[in-house]
Amino acid sequence: GAGVSQTPSNKVTEKGKYVELRCDPISGHTALYWYRQSLGQGPEFLIYFQGTGAADDSGLPNDRFFAVRPEGSVSTLKIQRTERGDSAVYLCASSQTGGLLTTDTQYFGPGTRLTVL
Amino acid sequence: TQLLEQSPQFLSIQEGENLTVYCNSSSVFSSLQWYRQEPGEGPVLLVTVVTGGEVKKLKRLTFQFGDARKDSSLHITAAQPGDTGLYLCAGAIRNNRKLIWGLGTSLAVNP
Repeated sequence: GAGVSQTPSNKVTEKGKYVELRCDPISGHTALYWYRQSLGQGPEFLIYFQGTGAADDSGLPNDRFFAVRPEGSVSTLKIQRTERGDSAVYLCASSQTGGLLTTDTQYFGPGTRLTVL
Repeated sequence: TQLLEQSPQFLSIQEGENLTVYCNSSSVFSSLQWYRQEPGEGPVLLVTVVTGGEVKKLKRLTFQFGDARKDSSLHITAAQPGDTGLYLCAGAIRNNRKLIWGLGTSLAVNP
């Protein structure tokens, strides 16, 4: 597709369960970002990939959160032992060069709404 | 901690009115971006400002970057119901690929 896609669009799970959220970036984009957004607030940075490697994972809240991008394209955000406080919209974005240029544009997907009961 | 303060947080106005949204920080940014987000969608980039004092216009929207590159404003002239949404500013720090995000301004334009 032409844009960033994320699946599923909605995920409802029970406290303590494991979830995986998928992001399919724009073809050819080397950089991929994961954000978390609470209702009515700005995105909160989680992790940034340049190619296959996590260049900056300083935003991951704790070790229950993990993300991979094994082939430098699709990425999966994994959350173990989910808690009610993990409920949010998880956004993925990709950009062409990864911010090496100050005007590099991040293109966002529609997000996955995660609800932990 | 680098903060980007955005105000107002909520704004409800009538069609045809003008409004201004502000983003302020004590940090110097190499660039600053403005996004608009609609419910159920991701943020969409409106503009990037790079040079201190820069002014960019996008139809009825005017964006300004402060001379010291620490603040920015978005001015909308003659707002329309289609302008309704969450407006977000995000600043880039040199040599840091993360964007610093404001909390957003939720704008409602009533017909």
